[in-house]
Amino acid sequence: EPEVTQTPSHQVTQMGQEVILRCVPISNHLYFYWYRQILGQKVEFLVSFYNNEISEKSEIFDDQFSVERPDGSNFTLKIRSTKLEDSAMYFCASSEQGLRVPEAFFGQGTRLTVV
Amino acid sequence: GNSVTQMEGPVTLSEEAFLTINCTYTATGYPSLFWYVQYPGEGLQLLLKATKADDKGSNKGFEATYRKETTSFHLEKGSVQVSDSAVYFCALTFLNTGNQFYFGTGTSLTVIP
Repeated sequence: EPEVTQTPSHQVTQMGQEVILRCVPISNHLYFYWYRQILGQKVEFLVSFYNNEISEKSEIFDDQFSVERPDGSNFTLKIRSTKLEDSAMYFCASSEQGLRVPEAFFGQGTRLTVV
Repeated sequence: GNSVTQMEGPVTLSEEAFLTINCTYTATGYPSLFWYVQYPGEGLQLLLKATKADDKGSNKGFEATYRKETTSFHLEKGSVQVSDSAVYFCALTFLNTGNQFYFGTGTSLTVIP
């Protein structure tokens, strides 16, 4: 069964460093997403990406964040100058476009710890 | 705005007990409703969904009915198992768009033998 895969599963970084979280969405999907879940809090939307550009982003997704689809398979989230409060589980998701319900398929998540 | 409210956890039940996890929503349009489950150490998996009023989503013995009049989508299971221990998330999105999902806070369920 096709699945969304994320790497690494856990990343520890020092405050101020840049991190890149990687995702391989399901191959025939056209919409891609990043969400995050701070421990004990809601899963929060960060950004959606379609046709090689951002289609929607939340207030959380400021200039510190960027996304990229560098090739035909990977979808990355870059966080520049990480802060302690960026520590969270980051989920990548993908979905098909069309008339059907846009069910999203999620990866297993990357736990980011900023120290 | 759009939001989802779930009952607070954690919930602890004995095996074979009846489960209800309440979920209510507010939405600016006509949403599709979902329950996702997160097993320990894993990502979010779709459990069930419903796209219009009075639809019932079901999977693995879990059920939820889309109630437009009460803006609710409560999750139920008649007899829980230890393997159902997980965190359950209620969510909504809108059909035929690439719109974001709006999630509840999640409800942790532990089933004890």
